[in-house]
Order: sequence, then C-alpha cells, then structure tokens
Amino acid sequence: AQTVTQSQPEMSVQEAETVTLSCTYDTSESDYYLFWYKQPPSRQMILVIRQEAYKQQNATENRFSVNFQKAAKSFSLKISDSQLGDAAMYFCAYRRDDKIIFGKGTRLHILP
Amino acid sequence: GAVVSQHPSWVICKSGTSVKIECRSLDFQATTMFWYRQFPKQSLMLMATSNEGSKATYEQGVEKDKFLINHASLTLSTLTVTSAHPEDSSFYICSARGDRGTSNTEAFFGQGTRLTVV
Repeated sequence: AQTVTQSQPEMSVQEAETVTLSCTYDTSESDYYLFWYKQPPSRQMILVIRQEAYKQQNATENRFSVNFQKAAKSFSLKISDSQLGDAAMYFCAYRRDDKIIFGKGTRLHILP
Repeated sequence: GAVVSQHPSWVICKSGTSVKIECRSLDFQATTMFWYRQFPKQSLMLMATSNEGSKATYEQGVEKDKFLINHASLTLSTLTVTSAHPEDSSFYICSARGDRGTSNTEAFFGQGTRLTVV
C-alpha cells in the first residue's frame, strides 16, 4: 500500500527566510505524481506544486521548488523568501491512477 | 484553473436526519470525483471515489449505506450522510478530476463543508 510520511508536524521560519518541508513516500510503482497542497485557515486546498515521477528535473513554481529524489522516495518542498501569506498547513500527496493519498501535514508558521 | 464548487459550506442538522452535500465542477467535465473527510488538525482521509454513471468505490472502513454517493452527471456529485449522528460531525471535502489537460493530472478541490450534528 502507498503511504506518505511528513515527519515535521510543525515548523517555523522567519519572514523572508527559506524553509524546507520534508516528505517521504512508499510505493512499488514507477509512474506516479507527487503534489504539495497548501491549506490556509479557510481550509480551501490549494495546489502549490506538482511533480511527475518520470521527470528527473525538479519542479519549480516561483518561490516554491521541490527536491525530488526518486530512488530515496523523497519529495521535499522548499519555500524561498517566506511571506506571511505562506502560513498554512502543507500536505504532501501521492497520486497513482485514481487515488490521491495525503500525508498528515506540516503546519508552517511565519515569524514576522 | 479549474473550479470546483461545494455546497453548502456549513450545515447544522439534528441527530437522525440526513444531509446532502453537493460538489460541482464549473468549467470542466469531472470524470472522477473524490470525497474526503478531515478531522480537526488532521489530514484528509479518502472516503470514496466515484466515476460518472458508476457506483462509488468506498475505502475500507467507510459505510456505504451511511455515506451515499451519487455521481449522476459529469459536473455533479453528491454525498448524503444518512441518519447523521454527532460522531459524523466533521469537515467534508470533495475534489474532481477531468479527462484532459491539467484537469487530468491533478484534482481540484471544493471549499469544503463543515457538518455539525446536534
């Protein structure tokens, strides 16, 4: 069975600094998708970044980038120049076929 | 991007009654819809997956007779919590995935519904 593990329940970062959120997953598949979702206090799930497993290049979206290590089954999210609006729960997610499995989440606090 | 609208955003119902939650894809055809449940400060737990015109596939431990899912069209899925009890109080989120372009590679989420059973 696929599992997604986020080992950091909470993290804090100073505004304008960089922070990295960790995620590992377990799968026997070779073709799948990985995602990072943000859930602010409104509880609306927002897609932050997506990575296709067959692509070796790490995905980047403005201040957000990932470090995808397929062999190690690791998928960390780096947030650069952290902003107050980045404060939220961040969920790492794995998708194979129809199912999306979420990790337990990391609550990110931004310190002004 | 694709928009998924979930309604209502919150509902309070009496114990023993049923409540229906709607999930609509507004600008794409949702071939697959997912229903999640989220307890406070916890992750999203997949309840069931539904494909248009087919019966929903429920995850282990989810009572199909209690959580009725209907996906009658490519733009609408409903979740009905039957004979609701206080332990059914939770945040329910739907998501939808289409069959082309970016609507196929990712799922788009509704705003969620907070259900309180009193």
